[in-house]
Amino acid sequence: SAVISQKPSRDICQRGTSLTIQCQVDSQVTMMFWYRQQPGQSLTLIATANQGSEATYESGFVIDKFPISRPNLTFSTLTVSNMSPEDSSIYLCSARLMQGWETQYFGPGTRLLVL
Amino acid sequence: AQSVTQPDIHITVSEGASLELRCNYSYGATPYLFWYVQSPGQGLQLLLKYFSGDTLVQGIKGFEAEFKRSQSSFNLRKPSVHWSDAAEYFCAVGAQTNAGKSTFGDGTTLTVKP
Repeated sequence: SAVISQKPSRDICQRGTSLTIQCQVDSQVTMMFWYRQQPGQSLTLIATANQGSEATYESGFVIDKFPISRPNLTFSTLTVSNMSPEDSSIYLCSARLMQGWETQYFGPGTRLLVL
Repeated sequence: AQSVTQPDIHITVSEGASLELRCNYSYGATPYLFWYVQSPGQGLQLLLKYFSGDTLVQGIKGFEAEFKRSQSSFNLRKPSVHWSDAAEYFCAVGAQTNAGKSTFGDGTTLTVKP
């Protein structure tokens, strides 16, 4: 299994500002993902974080709004840019291990409130 | 394309009663199937998974799930629910390749009555 940590665990931000969320995995992983979970809803995949190359974004999500970095096999960041109240959500980091890639593990999430 | 349906948005059971959460999937081949639990204010925790073999799989916290190919179902069960089981439960169909994407159901909210 894998232990995934996220920082910050929660934040309250003003509209127009940006927040960078960090994700650290305790094992080497193949794929890393960022999800958004709006209140009372299921998970929506934002993008796949690719090591050494640009992230792959899902329909409706763009790099200018959600820039992602993945400098190595165990770390990734997601930035929520120029925030509005509609960005208030839980942001979840997820990863698949190199050994046993079939299982996807999740971090505890970052709870973001934009005022 | 793969899909997951959790027909029950919200289920309420009494503490000590049995529980079954339904999950139906659509996928062309034998799927990788998962159940996750999300307690309030927490991330998703893996309860159990099915890849192949025995169709009844045991998970953590006393949960089990049964894969039924003929019904395209992977229902989650627990014989006796505890108040701490109150949470959101997600069924998922896993990616079939390392680079593929998983598909999650909309979730079922479990409320446990004392």
